[in-house]
Amino acid sequence: GAVVSQHPSRVICKSGTSVKIECRSLDFQATTMFWYRQFPKQSLMLMATSNEGSKATYEQGVEKDKFLINHASLTLSTLTVTSAHPEDSSFYICSARDQIAVAGVQETQYFGPGTRLLVL
Amino acid sequence: AQSVTQLGSHVSVSEGALVLLRCNYSSSVPPYLFWYVQYPNQGLQLLLKYTSAATLVKGINGFEAEFKKSETSFHLTKPSAHMSDAAEYFCAVSDNRDDKIIFGKGTRLHILP
Repeated sequence: GAVVSQHPSRVICKSGTSVKIECRSLDFQATTMFWYRQFPKQSLMLMATSNEGSKATYEQGVEKDKFLINHASLTLSTLTVTSAHPEDSSFYICSARDQIAVAGVQETQYFGPGTRLLVL
Repeated sequence: AQSVTQLGSHVSVSEGALVLLRCNYSSSVPPYLFWYVQYPNQGLQLLLKYTSAATLVKGINGFEAEFKKSETSFHLTKPSAHMSDAAEYFCAVSDNRDDKIIFGKGTRLHILP
C-alpha cells in the first residue's frame, strides 16, 4: 500500500529557531500534499494545501510567512516553522494524494505518522 | 461549508460488546465521508470511506459504517469490541472539489475488560 513518511518523528528546539519537517510519498507520486496540526487531545486542523511546483494555499488564520511550505518534487513537501515559539508546539501531520486521479472519484489521502514538535 | 459532528468525546464499551460511534455531517454537495483511527502518538489510518457507491461501507478490522442521507449520519459500528480497538476515532468529510478533508473533534474509544 501507499506509504507516507515524515522526518523527523520528533524534534525539540529552542525558541526563535527554525525547524524543517519533511513529508515524503515513498511509493507513489503526489501532486498534492496537505499539512495539518493537531493540539493535544484535539482534532486535526488543516493548515495548507501544497501543490507541486506552485505556491501553497493556506487556510484562514495560518501565517504563510511563519509556516513555509515547499513542494519541489512529486514525492517531497517540506514545512518549515520559522522563529518557532512555545505556542507552535504541536503534532504536525502531512498527507499525500496519489497523482493518478480518476475524474469524479475521491482519491484516498495517505497520512504520514506525524512529527511532534516541542519548542522550549 | 462542510462540517462533521461527533457525538461523545469518550465512549466506553465492554470487550465483546457492540461499538457504536456517532457522526453527523453537514454538506451542501454530495459528501465523501471517512472514518480514521489514531493510536497514541501515531498518524491516521483509514478505516473506511464512502464515495457515493454503496451506502453500507465495510472497512478494516471488522468496522463498517452506513451512510444515511435522510439523517445526515455516518455512524461507525463493530459487532464485537476488542481491546486493540481502544484508540481515537475521527469522522471526516470532503467534497472532492479540492480534496480538503474536514475532521470532527474525535471520539476516544475505551474498551473495558
